[in-house]
Amino acid sequence: EAQVTQNPRYLITVTGKKLTVTCSQNMNHEYMSWYRQDPGLGLRQIYYSMNVEVTDKGDVPEGYKVSRKEKRNFPLILESPSPNQTSLYFCASSTQNYEQYFGPGTRLTVT
Amino acid sequence: SQQGEEDPQALSIQEGENATMNCSYKTSINNLQWYRQNSGRGLVHLILIRSNEREKHSGRLRVTLDTSKKSSSLLITASRAADTASYFCATDVGSARQLTFGSGTQLTVLP
Repeated sequence: EAQVTQNPRYLITVTGKKLTVTCSQNMNHEYMSWYRQDPGLGLRQIYYSMNVEVTDKGDVPEGYKVSRKEKRNFPLILESPSPNQTSLYFCASSTQNYEQYFGPGTRLTVT
Repeated sequence: SQQGEEDPQALSIQEGENATMNCSYKTSINNLQWYRQNSGRGLVHLILIRSNEREKHSGRLRVTLDTSKKSSSLLITASRAADTASYFCATDVGSARQLTFGSGTQLTVLP
C-alpha cells in the first residue's frame, strides 16, 4: 500500500530535549516536505527536499533541521525544542504532477 | 507566507445540498490543488487544476479556476454527512514544487 508514515504519532517532551520525528514513504517520490499546522494559521511549510542530499527552507524553518540521506526518509529534527513548537506536524511526499501524499501527523507538545 | 485564502471560513449545510468554497490567491500560479482534512488527520488530495485549465470535474467535485481574478472555487454536489471536513486550497507558484496552503474552510454537513 502506497503510504507516508510518521513516528511517533504523539509526543510530549520538555524544553531543550532534542527529538527527531521520522518520515518514510514507499512511493519512490523525489520530493518530500514538512509542514506544521496551527489553529487559524493553516499549514506552513518548514523544509522541503527535491531529492537526496537536496534540502531547502520553507516558510518557517527556524528551530528545525532536516536531512535527506536516502530517498525514502526525511526526518525532522528539533535540536532544542521550545513551547512555541507545540504543533501538529505533517510530512508529505509528491508525485511528478505535484499531488502531495500526507502522513497521518505527529502531535507534539513541548512543556 | 499564505498565498491562498479560503472563503468562507466555515460553512454549514444540510445533506443533499451543494457546498461551494472559494479560494483567492495573490501571485501567478502553475497549478492549484484542493485538499480535504478530516479532524486532526492527514490531508488527502482531491483535485489539481492547471493554470491553463478553467474547469475540472471529479465525481461530485467541480473545480473552476479564474486566473484573471486569481480565484478558484470548489463545488461539492449532493453533499453527504461524510463530506464534513476542512478543505484547503494550495498553490504551486515556482519551479521548486513548493505548495502554499490557505487557512481552510470548515464544512459541516448536517444529516
